[in-house]
Amino acid sequence: DAGITQSPRHKVTETGTPVTLRCHQTENHRYMYWYRQDPGHGLRLIHYSYGVKDTDKGEVSDGYSVSRSKTEDFLLTLESATSSQTSVYFCAITPAGQGFEQFFGPGTRLTVL
Amino acid sequence: RKEVEQDPGPFNVPEGATVAFNCTYSNSASQSFFWYRQDCRKEPKLLMSVYSSGNEDGRFTAQLNRASQYISLLIRDSKLSDSATYLCVVNGNNNAGNMLTFGGGTRLMVKP
Repeated sequence: DAGITQSPRHKVTETGTPVTLRCHQTENHRYMYWYRQDPGHGLRLIHYSYGVKDTDKGEVSDGYSVSRSKTEDFLLTLESATSSQTSVYFCAITPAGQGFEQFFGPGTRLTVL
Repeated sequence: RKEVEQDPGPFNVPEGATVAFNCTYSNSASQSFFWYRQDCRKEPKLLMSVYSSGNEDGRFTAQLNRASQYISLLIRDSKLSDSATYLCVVNGNNNAGNMLTFGGGTRLMVKP
């Protein structure tokens, strides 16, 4: 158990609405990541963070923004959700001293109608 | 060409069988390699890291061939509970973020 929670776990929303997903960790990990997983594409990195207020873009960042105002919380926002953003979203962390290993939260299943 | 390529399967094997998966990667500068396991509708979980000398964890053996840029995972004495998707994962060549690149996964189904 990596001590990561994600909320909500399931969400259905309509095209054009804003959506914020939350990743919460309890062990002061510095590195946090947001991925999306889609059939045929595997896991793709959206954004990552290497500390409070330090974030950067990943492979598929268009249409997404992130914020990290506290070590424990990493928020992913879809400013105006589109049907192409229907996906499963996973948050991950890298514990200090464990190289490149990442540990994942339980995921959020998002459907945009 | 994808950065990390895997045969999607499915591999259908009987209980007790030995099964092997291969994975190829394109970035010759990659330094860290992993196998993750993902059950249906669950998060990926780290199965094992892959070291240059090869490494074994119970029924699972991972090997790395840097010259040919491929990684393998061998599962001996397959159990029904081994049924899952196995993800090959490689670190990218970047200066920040400990970024990983994931293969699309190989699905394994172990039958009674």
